[in-house]
Amino acid sequence: DTGVSQNPRHKITKRGQNVTFRCDPISEHNRLYWYRQTLGQGPEFLTYFQNEAQLEKSRLLSDRFSAERPKGSFSTLEIQRTEQGDSAMYLCASSLGGGGARTEAFFGQGTRLTVV
Amino acid sequence: GIQVEQSPPDLILQEGANSTLRCNFSDSVNNLQWFHQNPWGQLINLFYIPSGTKQNGRLSATTVATERYSLLYISSSQTTDSGVYFCAVEHDSSNTGKLIFGQGTTLQVKP
Repeated sequence: DTGVSQNPRHKITKRGQNVTFRCDPISEHNRLYWYRQTLGQGPEFLTYFQNEAQLEKSRLLSDRFSAERPKGSFSTLEIQRTEQGDSAMYLCASSLGGGGARTEAFFGQGTRLTVV
Repeated sequence: GIQVEQSPPDLILQEGANSTLRCNFSDSVNNLQWFHQNPWGQLINLFYIPSGTKQNGRLSATTVATERYSLLYISSSQTTDSGVYFCAVEHDSSNTGKLIFGQGTTLQVKP
């Protein structure tokens, strides 16, 4: 397994456009997370899936954001009507979870979004 | 929610020096991880250490869960150690694996 993979690595978009990011987790991991990191800050939790179910969403995740994990494998994060404040690094992570499993999280390379 | 504080915020070392990075957290945790963020932004796993002591080459870490802190030791630092080091914890009541990150320690190792 090559680890968590994210695409694209970089995205530049005009304000008001929609963007979609993809995350492929480590294959045996049932949990998948999205985080956002702005310059000089630590990553902040956005949302979390266990298999295909989205179980928690942060208050940071406005109505313009939507995430899916349709078959419990890859996930997509869509931002509609992007704003300059959405410019950030979007990080995906995966882990095992439940049943006493070791919940060590592994992160992808991230997608750096710039809204101009 | 749980608070995570890292110190120092910035650290400059000469190559070959040793350093200690600290992570304090405000409540009980069932997961603690240390990461190194490389210049391209990827978080590289260093340690999964909710308690106890671990060593990996020049790096070692200790978590004293009852006193709510963890330490990351870097010995004989190299220029490639430069970057941002993050501590992240999962609150004991969470059971989701959601991590709360500190603000990071930015390390610069000079040749």
